[in-house]
Amino acid sequence: DTGVSQDPRHKITKRGQNVTFRCDPISEHNRLYWYRQTLGQGPEFLTYFQNEAQLEKSRLLSDRFSAERPKGSFSTLEIQRTEQGDSAMYLCASSILTGEASGAFFGQGTRLTVV
Amino acid sequence: GEDVEQSLFLSVREGDSSVINCTYTDSSSTYLYWYKQEPGAGLQLLTYIFSNMDMKQDQRLTVLLNKKDKHLSLRIADTQTGDSAIYFCAESSYGGATNKLIFGTGTLLAVQP
Repeated sequence: DTGVSQDPRHKITKRGQNVTFRCDPISEHNRLYWYRQTLGQGPEFLTYFQNEAQLEKSRLLSDRFSAERPKGSFSTLEIQRTEQGDSAMYLCASSILTGEASGAFFGQGTRLTVV
Repeated sequence: GEDVEQSLFLSVREGDSSVINCTYTDSSSTYLYWYKQEPGAGLQLLTYIFSNMDMKQDQRLTVLLNKKDKHLSLRIADTQTGDSAIYFCAESSYGGATNKLIFGTGTLLAVQP
């Protein structure tokens, strides 16, 4: 296991279409996070899971967005009825719940372009 | 509310030291992190510091934390052209384990040969 894996790396879609992204975390990591990053900005938190439980959702996550982590391993992020404002890099990260917060490890991201 | 601020740009010559600064507002911040992002890539965790520490050194990297002023800095010794990237400061407000990270807008480090 070499790190957090995201698929696809790039996605171009027409406005109004649905898209789904996948994230495979580091295998022993029980926490998984989704962030969104737009040009010139730092990543913004969207949601996170501990095992299969979704523990927190940002108000940035409108009702068009849904995330799942059905078996506590990989996660999917779906965006329905995409809008041009959804164009961004979507980053997944994972971490392990221990007594010390050693940090979250990020994947390479999925760059979404809505045309 | 939570806010993390960084200067936008820093230019240094190869071999010099770089110092990237960050300020944060959340007094309950427990852990503070430095990440590096190269063009088109994800974020690479460089180092982190717990809020009860004031300094941490890791090879060429030195992190200084002034908790009173809520000021964090990252010093890169002997900066190389491969260090050119965007550096993000991030804070986490929950102890015991990483919860959500609040990121700054990033500092673009340009290393001139």
